[in-house]
Amino acid sequence: IAGITQAPTSQILAAGRRMTLRCTQDMRHNAMYWYRQDLGLGLRLIHYSNTAGTTGKGEVPDGYSVSRANTDDFPLTLASAVPSQTSVYFCASSGGGSSGANVLTFGAGSRLTVL
Amino acid sequence: GQNIDQPTEMTATEGAIVQINCTYQTSGFNGLFWYQQHAGEAPTFLSYNVLDGLEEKGRFSSFLSRSKGYSYLLLKELQMKDSASYLCSGVDSNYQLIWGAGTKLIIKP
Repeated sequence: IAGITQAPTSQILAAGRRMTLRCTQDMRHNAMYWYRQDLGLGLRLIHYSNTAGTTGKGEVPDGYSVSRANTDDFPLTLASAVPSQTSVYFCASSGGGSSGANVLTFGAGSRLTVL
Repeated sequence: GQNIDQPTEMTATEGAIVQINCTYQTSGFNGLFWYQQHAGEAPTFLSYNVLDGLEEKGRFSSFLSRSKGYSYLLLKELQMKDSASYLCSGVDSNYQLIWGAGTKLIIKP
């Protein structure tokens, strides 16, 4: 089934630990995104990539890094986790690249708790 | 600043009609999305409006007024499975999405 796979589904992490959330899509979409979703707030963009080999900062990039070595994979790394990074993280993709208002396809989410 | 406002929660009865409103302020405007998100799941696309007017898709319709910075999502013949959060998202001049906090819709039998 075409779509986006995220892993892990859920993780509890000690503060200060390094963590990578994985995201893989099989739709050959150019653009990929990482969002965090917190209660009472809208989705907030962390980082994005318009095409393989390029990345950009979103609204809340501090404490996070991404890479886009190929079209399919877009991992999100927390170098040293802090409790404020407790959230649900969604990876998304769209086929339109850097321009146009494109429909996003979301992964199922990764629930991260930092203690 | 850029902002999307929508009610936090609404309650409606199975079989009825409900209208979820969204007002937006964006730097430039390139359309407005509605997504549905069931609890614990990913958001899924419902509609996209860029021109004024009403677009209908089965039981769901979405309306846009660019002059008023206003949109609504209309759900008819409500079913229990429509219980979900509905996310409004405006597209600014740089094609960045500005998201509202979502409206949690509770359907009662």
